[in-house]
Amino acid sequence: GQNIDQPTEMTATEGAIVQINCTYQTSGFNGLFWYQQHAGEAPTFLSYNVLDGLEEKGRFSSFLSRSKGYSYLLLKELQMKDSASYLCAVRDLGYGQNFVFGPGTRLSVLP
Amino acid sequence: ETGVTQTPRHLVMGMTNKKSLKCEQHLGHNAMYWYKQSAKKPLELMFVYSLEERVENNSVPSRFSPECPNSSHLFLHLHTLQPEDSALYLCASSQEGLAGTNTGELFFGEGSRLTVL
Repeated sequence: GQNIDQPTEMTATEGAIVQINCTYQTSGFNGLFWYQQHAGEAPTFLSYNVLDGLEEKGRFSSFLSRSKGYSYLLLKELQMKDSASYLCAVRDLGYGQNFVFGPGTRLSVLP
Repeated sequence: ETGVTQTPRHLVMGMTNKKSLKCEQHLGHNAMYWYKQSAKKPLELMFVYSLEERVENNSVPSRFSPECPNSSHLFLHLHTLQPEDSALYLCASSQEGLAGTNTGELFFGEGSRLTVL
């Protein structure tokens, strides 16, 4: 079956760096995605990893280790607007290639 | 603006009502989805339509009935719901490739907040 785990809540200070971890177990891994969801809004796509290593996109980076079933999302130079929930999701070949979502990590950025 | 529009944004209904949620995508995608988002629970996949055919029905109770008349529109018909069905219902779309090459990310609508009294 599928299982995705993330911390429920994290707090960080404006200007700092924060790392949000995600561990997963799937029947057939076919890509890991990170989404950002502000309260009352739609989730929006942040990043995608299918091969091991680091993908960088401006202030956001995402890392994947398939052998460890592990990913992290790194947010640099935190801004107040980064306060949101961050959802880790995996495409699972054993689930009709559909997305399995983690519970989400609620990040609070403090001044 | 994500290119996926959902209406209504908020809906309050009694347990005996019949209502429908509507989703429209303007992205030219070939797959559409309904997800349920409840407090403190992961997003739950309800239905998937690929090329207008339902390819996933994730053990959803029959009081939820999806309809996909074309590749741009998706409906969720609601009938005799229970209070525990109160949640945010999110529609999403994606562009799916050939088997083994499905890497398209999901584009979500803003959601329909449903309250069942």
